[in-house]
Amino acid sequence: KQEVTQIPAALSVPEGENLVLNCSFTDSAIYNLQWFRQDPGKGLTSLLLIQSSQREQTSGRLNASLDKSSGRSTLYIAASQPGDSATYLCAVRKYSGGYQKVTFGTGTKLQVIP
Amino acid sequence: GAGVSQTPSNKVTEKGKYVELRCDPISGHTALYWYRQSLGQGPEFLIYFQGTGAADDSGLPNDRFFAVRPEGSVSTLKIQRTERGDSAVYLCASSLSGLRLGTEQFFGPGTRLTVL
Repeated sequence: KQEVTQIPAALSVPEGENLVLNCSFTDSAIYNLQWFRQDPGKGLTSLLLIQSSQREQTSGRLNASLDKSSGRSTLYIAASQPGDSATYLCAVRKYSGGYQKVTFGTGTKLQVIP
Repeated sequence: GAGVSQTPSNKVTEKGKYVELRCDPISGHTALYWYRQSLGQGPEFLIYFQGTGAADDSGLPNDRFFAVRPEGSVSTLKIQRTERGDSAVYLCASSLSGLRLGTEQFFGPGTRLTVL
């Protein structure tokens, strides 16, 4: 059974700092990995999707990397802003025999202090 | 144009009652997913539809939970004989195709279900 762990569970940083969020998964036979942010009381907003054949994806101040063999992904946020405060979730997708399994981590709650 | 929509946004019910939660996916998206998110946890997969059929319902916790998507668009998650432990946010997501490499999921705002 796939297990997805996110460390740390919570993080508080001053505005302007660069930071890294971690996601690890136990079954490396994944199809893709997706990073989301979730604001309180809201649904999930997709940030980046990395296919299993890719090493990284970038969007603006965000960079996500994937090391499938070691079961790890990182989300790097450059020059953090108070608007980045949210919970960040990673999700891995496994595809097998026509069935899909999407497993989420428990998230990292980020607070960026002005 | 819109994204995924879910109704109602909040539902309060009494233990033992029946509830229906609705999801309108993005137009043209053939894959639809239901998740359940408890406080402080990540979303937990419930069921995945490809078109009208449930391709994977292995995440449904028991036979009180059932979901349909009769015309391959709108989906309804149905919960019978609700229990207090069913209280959670129920999230719906859709994607262009569940099977194509690199397809992203787009999430609705969720329905917060409270069972008293």
